[in-house]
Amino acid sequence: KQEVTQIPAALSVPEGENLVLNCSFTDSAIYNLQWFRQDPGKGLTSLLLIQSSQREQTSGRLNASLDKSSGRSTLYIAASQPGDSATYLCARPSGGSYIPTFGRGTSLIVHP
Amino acid sequence: GAGVSQSPSNKVTEKGKDVELRCDPISGHTALYWYRQSLGQGLEFLIYFQGNSAPDKSGLPSDRFSAERTGGSVSTLTIQRTQQEDSAVYLCASSSPRFYNEQFFGPGTRLTVL
Repeated sequence: KQEVTQIPAALSVPEGENLVLNCSFTDSAIYNLQWFRQDPGKGLTSLLLIQSSQREQTSGRLNASLDKSSGRSTLYIAASQPGDSATYLCARPSGGSYIPTFGRGTSLIVHP
Repeated sequence: GAGVSQSPSNKVTEKGKDVELRCDPISGHTALYWYRQSLGQGLEFLIYFQGNSAPDKSGLPSDRFSAERTGGSVSTLTIQRTQQEDSAVYLCASSSPRFYNEQFFGPGTRLTVL
């Protein structure tokens, strides 16, 4: 069964810092990986989907990479802003299934 | 609609009552997922529908939980004889193989069992 681990569990930084959030997974099979953000009391918002054939995806200040050989994905947030404060989750299906396994998330606070 | 919608947004019920939660997926999405998120916990998979295939019910925590999807679109999650431990946010998501199975979530239903 796929296991997805996110490090760190929580992060508090001043505005303007560049951040790296880590996601590791145990099943190196060829599947997509998706990053989400969740604001308190809200559903999940899709940020980036990295297809199995891709190594990275970019959207604005966000860049996500995927390294299947090492079982890792990294979400890079450039020039962080208070509005980036949220919980960030990664998810990836396990073998033979379209059902994703979610990490527990990284809770991010960006101070003004 | 443009996104996944869920209703009601909040539901307060008494222990022992039945509840129904509704999910309207994105039009054309063949896959629909239900998850549960308890306070301070991660996402717990409940059930998965894909087209006309038999649903994957492997995540349902007990036989008090059931779900159906009518006409390959709207889904209803039913919880019978609710217990206090059923209190959580119930999230629905949909996806399509045509778009790399990227999941899109609804806003959730917050269920409180008194």
